This record gives sequence, structure tokens and C-alpha cells, in this order.
Amino acid sequence: LAKTTQPISMDSYEGQEVNITCSHNNIATNDYITWYQQFPSQGPRFIIQGYKTKVTNEVASLFIPADRKSSTLSLPRVSLSDTAVYYCLVVGYGNKLVFGAGTILRVKS
Amino acid sequence: EPEVTQTPSHQVTQMGQEVILRCVPISNHLYFYWYRQILGQKVEFLVSFYNNEISEKSEIFDDQFSVERPDGSNFTLKIRSTKLEDSAMYFCASRAPTSGGAGELFFGEGSRLTVL
Repeated sequence: LAKTTQPISMDSYEGQEVNITCSHNNIATNDYITWYQQFPSQGPRFIIQGYKTKVTNEVASLFIPADRKSSTLSLPRVSLSDTAVYYCLVVGYGNKLVFGAGTILRVKS
Repeated sequence: EPEVTQTPSHQVTQMGQEVILRCVPISNHLYFYWYRQILGQKVEFLVSFYNNEISEKSEIFDDQFSVERPDGSNFTLKIRSTKLEDSAMYFCASRAPTSGGAGELFFGEGSRLTVL
């Protein structure tokens, strides 16, 4: 399983764009990159998944460079309700999805 | 929107007792998971289940734990002889088959287990 490294925490203000970078140097050819969000006392919630280049959905964008050794989750115009823990997972064959320590994002007014 | 449901939401038990946590995954999903999260710590993988058998398990998932899909809708986690350190939030998750990547795991709201 590829190990992931993320910043422990980040602070932002409402209305700003937030970029959270995850490094996964030993990502394998068949691995995908997936991001989850977790609020206190709730289960994680899927945000986005990608394999290469850029993926965008209604809540976030995911940027993956050509070497795929890192990825960046971009949250446009965050609000207070985006305060949460964000997890980067590298997922390949098999059925073992392992969460790392995650990044605590604090959005201030 | 379909959702994963878990019961009970909170259970308090005495050390040494057996506990069964129940989950109803989303109906067309085929992959099922249990995770746990000790207060203030990260989400830890316990076990995954597919085609009526365990497909992956972590080192946490020892002989004290077992999982079962007793019928077409429920997925249970049994913890035998609970210990104080089993106190945690237990999350069930499920997902549909995908053609690439792991796709989206849908998590339940969790069952909080308190062992006294």
C-alpha cells in the first residue's frame, strides 16, 4: 500500500481557495487517488477520485501531475462549514482502503 | 438518497461482555467494510467483506472480532470479550462494484461503543 503524507493542519478564511497537497511517492500504476472529508462524530464522506491530470466535480478539483507522486485537492471559496478533516487515500487492487492521519482544515470568518 | 444505517448509535457495555454492532448497507452494494475511530485519532481499517467472505483484514482484527452477513441485508461486527481499549466509534461502509479505482465508500453514522 502506498504511504501518503499530508500537512497536519491548515488555516484559511471564508471565501478563499484552499489547496491541500498529498504526497504518495510509491504510488503504483493501478492506484487511484481518493479524498474524503470527515466532520466530528460523523463517518467520512467521499469528495473526489482521480487517476491523472485534473478531475472536477461540484465541490472540489483534484490535480495530479504526470509523475503521480503527489496530488492536490482544491476547495474553491471555502466557508465555515468546510472546517473538517480531509484524508488522501491511494487505492489500488484489493479491498483495503487505509486512512492516514489527514489534514485538519480550520476555516475562520 | 440511499444510505448506510447502523445500530445501535451508542452502546455501553461491561468489560468482558460480547457486543454485536449492526449495519444495513446500501442495497445494490457488494463490498462491505468496518472501520473504527478511537476518540481524537484517525480512522482505522478493520475488515473488508465480499462474496460472503473476508477479503482483507488488518492486524487489529484478531480472533476477538468476527463479521457476518446473516441475511441479504445486514452486516454485523461481533466483538467478543470486550476490553477497555475497544471503546471507539465503529463505522460501517459499503460500495458498489467499479471498473477502476475503489469508487466511493458510503459510510454510516457510526456506533459509539463505550466499554466500562
